[in-house]
Amino acid sequence: AQTVTQSQPEMSVQEAETVTLSCTYDTSESDYYLFWYKQPPSRQMILVIRQEAYKQQNATENRFSVNFQKAAKSFSLKISDSQLGDAAMYFCAYRSATSGSARQLTFGSGTQLTVLP
Amino acid sequence: GAGVSQSPRYKVAKRGQDVALRCDPISGHVSLFWYQQALGQGPEFLTYFQNEAQLDKSGLPSDRFFAERPEGSVSTLKIQRTQQEDSAVYLCASSLLGGRTMGNEQFFGPGTRLTVL
Repeated sequence: AQTVTQSQPEMSVQEAETVTLSCTYDTSESDYYLFWYKQPPSRQMILVIRQEAYKQQNATENRFSVNFQKAAKSFSLKISDSQLGDAAMYFCAYRSATSGSARQLTFGSGTQLTVLP
Repeated sequence: GAGVSQSPRYKVAKRGQDVALRCDPISGHVSLFWYQQALGQGPEFLTYFQNEAQLDKSGLPSDRFFAERPEGSVSTLKIQRTQQEDSAVYLCASSLLGGRTMGNEQFFGPGTRLTVL
């Protein structure tokens, strides 16, 4: 079974600064996807960024980028130029791409990000 | 545009009562997932439907939990004889396809917060 670990329950960042959220995972599969989701107090889970395991190039979406280290099974999220609206709970998630495997997401326990004005 | 909707948004039940939680997925979406999110934790998988077929119910915590999607669109999660440990947010997600491709993104609803007294 796959597991996802987020070791930082809480993080804070000054507005306009950069913050990195950590995520590690454990799997025996070689083909999978990794995601970062944002969950504001409204509870609506929003996809921030995604990475395919077979792609070496790190994904980037505007101010959000990842550092994907497949050998180390690490998948960190970097938020640049932090904005007040970035404040939320962030979840790292894993999904298998292997034929016959489960289709659901496996989530970490989350990191609560506070953005200080 | 219509996203995933869930009702009710909040539900308070007395221990021992039965509850029914509804999910309206995005129109045309083949896959539907239910997740349970305890306070301060990441969502955990409960069950998965592809159209009307329940292909995976390995995450249902007990036989008190039952889910259905009889016409392949709206889904209901039913919990019988609720217990205090059932208190959580129940999230529904849908995706367009039934496969495991990267682009098969899961779109989440706002969840139903269930409190069992």
